[in-house]
Amino acid sequence: EAQVTQNPRYLITVTGKKLTVTCSQNMNHEYMSWYRQDPGLGLRQIYYSMNVEVTDKGDVPEGYKVSRKEKRNFPLILESPSPNQTSLYFCASSHRGEKLFFGSGTQLSVL
Amino acid sequence: TQLLEQSPQFLSIQEGENLTVYCNSSSVFSSLQWYRQEPGEGPVLLVTVVTGGEVKKLKRLTFQFGDARKDSSLHITAAQPGDTGLYLCAGSYGNKLVFGAGTILRVKS
Repeated sequence: EAQVTQNPRYLITVTGKKLTVTCSQNMNHEYMSWYRQDPGLGLRQIYYSMNVEVTDKGDVPEGYKVSRKEKRNFPLILESPSPNQTSLYFCASSHRGEKLFFGSGTQLSVL
Repeated sequence: TQLLEQSPQFLSIQEGENLTVYCNSSSVFSSLQWYRQEPGEGPVLLVTVVTGGEVKKLKRLTFQFGDARKDSSLHITAAQPGDTGLYLCAGSYGNKLVFGAGTILRVKS
């Protein structure tokens, strides 16, 4: 089954404790992206990747890092999480910018 | 930053009513997509419109792209409880996709 898999689904952590949210897709998509979703603000792009070893900043990249060492994986790293990074995070992938396939989301709470 | 404004933010209607959701921008987009999101899940693509003036139908849903490719609308005929969800429009420019804040639709039976 074609899918984008994010882990974990829920995460509660404390300020400053490094964390990684994993994302994997099995559709051989070149394009992958991370979004955060906050009430009233919609989905805002954090980082995106056009292909392996090619990443670029989205609209809200501060406080986040990504890497694209393999085509299928695109982890999101928070080196020192802060409470304003509490949000619902989505990973997505697509073939050449066409239809986006989204994961089921990761609800992150930073205390 | 390109902005997409959706209206209304919330819509609560009775089963069988018609409704329209609007997506507006001052910017021109190469294409515009509509997604539907249910609680606990990621958005799912409903349609992509590319040509100015284009109209696409998906059963009871009708999507229209403005002539100038700056705005779009989603019209639902005879809404059903199963249509309940968050509807998001997203405009494409270059390598980026910018999303509107969404319209929360609740259809009561």
